[in-house]
Amino acid sequence: KNEVEQSPQNLTAQEGEFITINCSYSVGISALHWLQQHPGGGIVSLFMLSSGKKKHGRLIATINIQEKHSSLHITASHPRDSAVYICAVGDSNYQLIWGAGTKLIIKP
Amino acid sequence: EAGVTQFPSHSVIEKGQTVTLRCDPISGHDNLYWYRRVMGKEIKFLLHFVKESKQDESGMPNNRFLAERTGGTYSTLKVQPAELEDSGVYFCASSRDRSYNSPLHFGNGTRLTVT
Repeated sequence: KNEVEQSPQNLTAQEGEFITINCSYSVGISALHWLQQHPGGGIVSLFMLSSGKKKHGRLIATINIQEKHSSLHITASHPRDSAVYICAVGDSNYQLIWGAGTKLIIKP
Repeated sequence: EAGVTQFPSHSVIEKGQTVTLRCDPISGHDNLYWYRRVMGKEIKFLLHFVKESKQDESGMPNNRFLAERTGGTYSTLKVQPAELEDSGVYFCASSRDRSYNSPLHFGNGTRLTVT
């Protein structure tokens, strides 16, 4: 069992839908990252959080340290949000343990 | 500011050959990280530089991989000799410091194909 589990693995939705991607981890962490990888391959860091909730535009990330769970939400989804979303957790050495990613497709 | 740049974007080499990947971090970022995703698997940490020093190289798969960061600026990752299982995408990231207020900035990756 991977130390970082993401669900769902694949998600297809219609434009405008509210999207939730979940991440559960089994290791102690200092921070959790949500990253976005576009079809071209580049990775963009969306959020880095160690507690509570962060919001940036239509993206919201939450984390529950006690439950070892985080969620990434996208409101009013748009086709340009189509990408692979990856959860990665960092330990005290700042190594990252990566989830397998969630492939999101938003249809117009 | 310019982002993290990686070169080349793609490389196709034959088994047994040598390949050198380069990463230019954001100027002023002391911390530089290498990661890779091999086919069908999660991205894995390779190593971490602080300036020119290797802080953590526990993720390096074997001694065919050599990473350097002379002068604490750009970094190179050499694979010699390359094997088929080395195929994948190699990502570089940098950050200003190691605190969790200092986010990671990623390059676009180098896609390595060993035939």
